[in-house]
Amino acid sequence: AQKITQTQPGMFVQEKEAVTLDCTYDTSDQSYGLFWYKQPSSGEMIFLIYQGSYDEQNATEGRYSLNFQKARKSANLVISASQLGDSAMYFCAMTPTSGTYKYIFGTGTRLKVLA
Amino acid sequence: NAGVTQTPKFQVLKTGQSMTLQCAQDMNHEYMSWYRQDPGMGLRLIHYSVGAGITDQGEVPNGYNVSRSTTEDFPLRLLSAAPSQTSVYFCASSYSTPSVLSTDTQYFGPGTRLTVL
Repeated sequence: AQKITQTQPGMFVQEKEAVTLDCTYDTSDQSYGLFWYKQPSSGEMIFLIYQGSYDEQNATEGRYSLNFQKARKSANLVISASQLGDSAMYFCAMTPTSGTYKYIFGTGTRLKVLA
Repeated sequence: NAGVTQTPKFQVLKTGQSMTLQCAQDMNHEYMSWYRQDPGMGLRLIHYSVGAGITDQGEVPNGYNVSRSTTEDFPLRLLSAAPSQTSVYFCASSYSTPSVLSTDTQYFGPGTRLTVL
């Protein structure tokens, strides 16, 4: 069975500093995709970044990068130069890439950026 | 291009009442899903569809029914609402599943906040 674990219920970071949000996963699938979503207080889910299990390079999207360590089954999100607008809930998610459509999500990390 | 739309935004039901949460997308996406979000639980998959006429159960399907008669619409039905179904419900869609050739991700609707008394 698949499982996503986010062990940090809440995090604080000073504005302009970098922060790492942890995500570990468990799956028996050989091929899978890992996602990070942001949920601000307004409630919408915003896609941030994607990493395929077959990708050897870590994904990057602007200030977001995904530190992918396949052997450790971890997919940590790194936000560089934090901004006040980064304060939100962050969810790690996973789905097999073998044709099913069953996404699973972690319980989330609430990030607060301090001025 | 409206993306994924959900109606209503808020709903209060009494135990035992039935209702349908509507979800529509105008992006010609084959794949659609329903999730519920509860405090401390993240998002949990209720049902999903990989195309018109094809649906399957997710992690928490009990108490919910779905059908997919068109590509655009994927309604979620609560046949007899229970207080345990109080939650925020999200609909999502994508063109395909992610693969080596595509990083297709899901687009989410704005959510429906449902309270069952």
